[in-house]
Amino acid sequence: AQSVTQLGSHVSVSEGALVLLRCNYSSSVPPYLFWYVQYPNQGLQLLLKYTSAATLVKGINGFEAEFKKSETSFHLTKPSAHMSDAAEYFCAVSDDGGSYKLIFGSGTRLLVRP
Amino acid sequence: ETGVTQTPRHLVMGMTNKKSLKCEQHLGHNAMYWYKQSAKKPLELMFVYNFKEQTENNSVPSRFSPECPNSSHLFLHLHTLQPEDSALYLCASSQLTGGGQPQHFGDGTRLSIL
Repeated sequence: AQSVTQLGSHVSVSEGALVLLRCNYSSSVPPYLFWYVQYPNQGLQLLLKYTSAATLVKGINGFEAEFKKSETSFHLTKPSAHMSDAAEYFCAVSDDGGSYKLIFGSGTRLLVRP
Repeated sequence: ETGVTQTPRHLVMGMTNKKSLKCEQHLGHNAMYWYKQSAKKPLELMFVYNFKEQTENNSVPSRFSPECPNSSHLFLHLHTLQPEDSALYLCASSQLTGGGQPQHFGDGTRLSIL
């Protein structure tokens, strides 16, 4: 069965510092992986997705994520945090076995200190 | 209009009321989803519709009744809800069911049960 683990329910960084949000997945087949962001009082917005074309995926708002099969990881990074990045971030996985489900992690809330 | 629109944005109802949540997508997608997002719990998939046909009911209580009259509209009919049903209800759509398809989310309906 597929699963997603996001390490750290809260991450706090200073403005301008590196952002690193961790995601590990479990899948018996090559996965599709996604990062979504949720701002207060809004739905989830797609940041980026991995579909096996390239291991380093660039997304919106300066975020990127690297797929590492050996580590079963898909960590999200941004070189320099901005106050507007404060939000909750969700990692999700689906497989190519005909499943339409996205399995979501429990989320990581990013706090950005001035 | 573009994207996925949900109405109302906020709803307060008593346990004996009957109300409906509406979702409309303007993306030409043919799969639609209802999710429940509660505080401190992972996102829960409730129902999936593919080309107007329900393809998944994730053991949702019968007090929640979905309806999908066409590929652009999705409703969630509510009756005799319980306090634990208070949550953010999110609608999503995707081009096709199957792996690798990102889901696009509405901003949700915040439901409070008195």
